[in-house]
Amino acid sequence: DTGVSQDPRHKITKRGQNVTFRCDPISEHNRLYWYRQTLGQGPEFLTYFQNEAQLEKSRLLSDRFSAERPKGSFSTLEIQRTEQGDSAMYLCASSQPGTLGDTEAFFGQGTRLTVV
Amino acid sequence: GENVEQHPSTLSVQEGDSAVIKCTYSDSASNYFPWYKQELGKRPQLIIDIRSNVGEKKDQRIAVTLNKTAKHFSLHITETQPEDSAVYFCAAPYNNNDMRFGAGTRLTVKP
Repeated sequence: DTGVSQDPRHKITKRGQNVTFRCDPISEHNRLYWYRQTLGQGPEFLTYFQNEAQLEKSRLLSDRFSAERPKGSFSTLEIQRTEQGDSAMYLCASSQPGTLGDTEAFFGQGTRLTVV
Repeated sequence: GENVEQHPSTLSVQEGDSAVIKCTYSDSASNYFPWYKQELGKRPQLIIDIRSNVGEKKDQRIAVTLNKTAKHFSLHITETQPEDSAVYFCAAPYNNNDMRFGAGTRLTVKP
């Protein structure tokens, strides 16, 4: 296990199409996060899983976005009816809280989505 | 992140000078404060973190200070080098769950 992996690395899609991204976290990590990052900005929180439970979802997130983590391991992020404004880097991160609480989140390389 | 404010958004220093980046957070229950460095085209990577039970932590040329009363924490880089040029993000837990990030500081170290 060499870290968090995301697939695909790049995705170009036409407006209105659906896309799905996959994230494989570090195997022993029970927390998984999805973020969106546009050029020059910080990672914007989308949603968060602890094991298979989706504990939080950004209130700014459109209903076109949905995420799953069915077995508490890998996760998928789906965007339906894509819009040009969805173009961004989608980052996945995972962490395993320690005895003192939160710990480092490890990021994947991201999936760069371009909607044309 | 909606509850983490970071400034400045850009910072330019001469090689050898110090750089300071500041963040404020809103969730008083936050107890873990990491700093990430993101180089162009790469993923964010942790460079230093601090927990609420200490006020300062150092790692070679990098230090972080925390003021829990004022709810702010700062990143200090001394003797800056050109390879320190990158975007730096602070983060803090929100609702004891997910990690929220600041908008980032683009640091440029001029040789």
